[in-house]
Amino acid sequence: KAGVTQTPRYLIKTRGQQVTLSCSPISGHRSVSWYQQTPGQGLQFLFEYFSETQRNKGNFPGRFSGRQFSNSRSEMNVSTLELGDSALYLCASSFNRRPSEQYFGPGTRLTVT
Amino acid sequence: GESVGLHLPTLSVQEGDNSIINCAYSNSASDYFIWYKQESGKGPQFIIDIRSNMDKRQGQRVTVLLNKTVKHLSLQIAATQPGDSAVYFCAEGSPYNQGGKLIFGQGTELSVKP
Repeated sequence: KAGVTQTPRYLIKTRGQQVTLSCSPISGHRSVSWYQQTPGQGLQFLFEYFSETQRNKGNFPGRFSGRQFSNSRSEMNVSTLELGDSALYLCASSFNRRPSEQYFGPGTRLTVT
Repeated sequence: GESVGLHLPTLSVQEGDNSIINCAYSNSASDYFIWYKQESGKGPQFIIDIRSNMDKRQGQRVTVLLNKTVKHLSLQIAATQPGDSAVYFCAEGSPYNQGGKLIFGQGTELSVKP
């Protein structure tokens, strides 16, 4: 069974631009969560989608948004990029929304210059 | 491999020794805790969890201890191996339908010397 896939793995953007990151969950998994990982703030929860609906949201500005498609694939978008958005963005999927049964992808490394 | 460049507390142990990684949590109302392992270039991997109605739980070579009085969590790894070298995170959350809504600790980097 293939694991969680994230594309692209590396991305360089300029301040003010926007970016879209993609996450393909494990086959059969219906929940997708997104996290931001930075040296200063560590791992922070962004949002969770289940059955195409956002179920939980972390404490991030409205520039961060996401969506989930009917095949459970998810995208997150960051608009008007800031230098502080440089981070590793991790996606995790689960079948039943239980953290103990959640699998993480390798992440997308975003660098904002 | 991928590195997030975290300036983390580091624990260095000899192969075969036992390791103890500590974590303090802030929310006294938290009722569920998880330990994750993150190797270079990979996402976090679930190790073991514990609910607040327990003070100890054992897995394969790992034990988690929970002290609610002082809001402290620890992960014990028995007979540490080079493959255990990674960053370890504790996290607080809900065991039920809260998905990935977890609050992560700072993390500790474990280095195992052969």
